[in-house]
Amino acid sequence: GDSVTQMEGPVTLSEEAFLTINCTYTATGYPSLFWYVQYPGEGLQLLLKATKADDKGSNKGFEATYRKETTSFHLEKGSVQVSDSAVYFCALSDESGGYNKLIFGAGTRLAVHP
Amino acid sequence: DTGVSQNPRHKITKRGQNVTFRCDPISEHNRLYWYRQTLGQGPEFLTYFQNEAQLEKSRLLSDRFSAERPKGSFSTLEIQRTEQGDSAMYLCASSLDSTGRNSPLHFGNGTRLTVT
Repeated sequence: GDSVTQMEGPVTLSEEAFLTINCTYTATGYPSLFWYVQYPGEGLQLLLKATKADDKGSNKGFEATYRKETTSFHLEKGSVQVSDSAVYFCALSDESGGYNKLIFGAGTRLAVHP
Repeated sequence: DTGVSQNPRHKITKRGQNVTFRCDPISEHNRLYWYRQTLGQGPEFLTYFQNEAQLEKSRLLSDRFSAERPKGSFSTLEIQRTEQGDSAMYLCASSLDSTGRNSPLHFGNGTRLTVT
């Protein structure tokens, strides 16, 4: 079945460092791809999405490009802030049933220090 | 738009007891989802409603689990005869969609269940 694999954490960075969180997927169809973020004590929030190959999703300085040839959707940010500390989840949408059923990776915890 | 609301936030119960969680989706959202998240893992799909109809149930949803959405608005998730392995965060999400494609899910803050 469809699955998502993302790099294990925690990822620890200093403020203003460059961030990359790797995500690869396995899917039989052409899923949409998402990054969700979970801040401490809060629910999952959609960070960005891409719906077809070569699309780039971006939000709050984060970006990710849908790479069909490498089945990847890596999350990047040029300069992280302490407020970016959270758990980041990569997900794909299995829409074979006619609705948006998300399949998540295990999550990557990011800790940014001043 | 007050977001997806889940109650209670935390529930501690003894093994063998029944528990019920409630989810109030964003008003007018026709789709509602339940997910379960265990420590260190991503959320796993449990079940999905289109209005009041439960259209899919994951194999993770054993016979002890039942979900309802009687009037197509709020939903309840009941776990009977709880086991320690049921300890997890139970997440509810909703969306408004008629085509099934690319509809973003809005998640609640979850109900954390601890079975002792």
